Amino acid sequence: DGGITQSPKYLFRKEGQNVTLSCEQNLNHDAMYWYRQDPGQGLRLIYYSQIVNDFQKGDIAEGYSVSREKKESFPLTVTSAQKNPTAFYLCASEQGNTEAFFGQGTRLTVV
Amino acid sequence: KQEVTQIPAALSVPEGENLVLNCSFTDSAIYNLQWFRQDPGKGLTSLLLIQSSQREQTSGRLNASLDKSSGRSTLYIAASQPGDSATYLCAYLPGSNYKLTFGKGTLLTVNP
Repeated sequence: DGGITQSPKYLFRKEGQNVTLSCEQNLNHDAMYWYRQDPGQGLRLIYYSQIVNDFQKGDIAEGYSVSREKKESFPLTVTSAQKNPTAFYLCASEQGNTEAFFGQGTRLTVV
Repeated sequence: KQEVTQIPAALSVPEGENLVLNCSFTDSAIYNLQWFRQDPGKGLTSLLLIQSSQREQTSGRLNASLDKSSGRSTLYIAASQPGDSATYLCAYLPGSNYKLTFGKGTLLTVNP
């Protein structure tokens, strides 16, 4: 089936650790996005990539990093510099400024 | 700053009622506007996409309209059902960049 796969579904991070969230798509989409969702805040854009080997900061990029070495993959690293990382993270992809599709999300909790 | 406002923030209706959700955005130049549904703890499911050259789209009991000149879109749900209960989000893709921008959503509850 075509779609977007995010893993893991749940992730626990200790203070000071870096963690990486996976996002893989088999839709052959050029554009991919990472969003953070907090209660009452809606979706806020972290990073986005329009093409392989290129990406741009979104509205809340501090404390996060990404790479786009392959078209189908757009991993997000939450670094220790992100002071409040507990949130629901969503990955999306789209092609040619058309319909965007989302994964099922990763819930990150700091323990 | 690109912003999306969704009104109301929450809505509770009895089953069978027709309802309208509102979305307003700040740009007049957009590529498209999309409506999504989100169930608790889940990802977003695309409902309708309206390209900038279109005025409306329909899928089953859902109809979405787009008025670029006023920066508004509406999602009309006919004959609502308890299974329609979810959060509905709108998002638009500005013509000036590729930052798909979201509103905070409308939490819809349809009571049996």
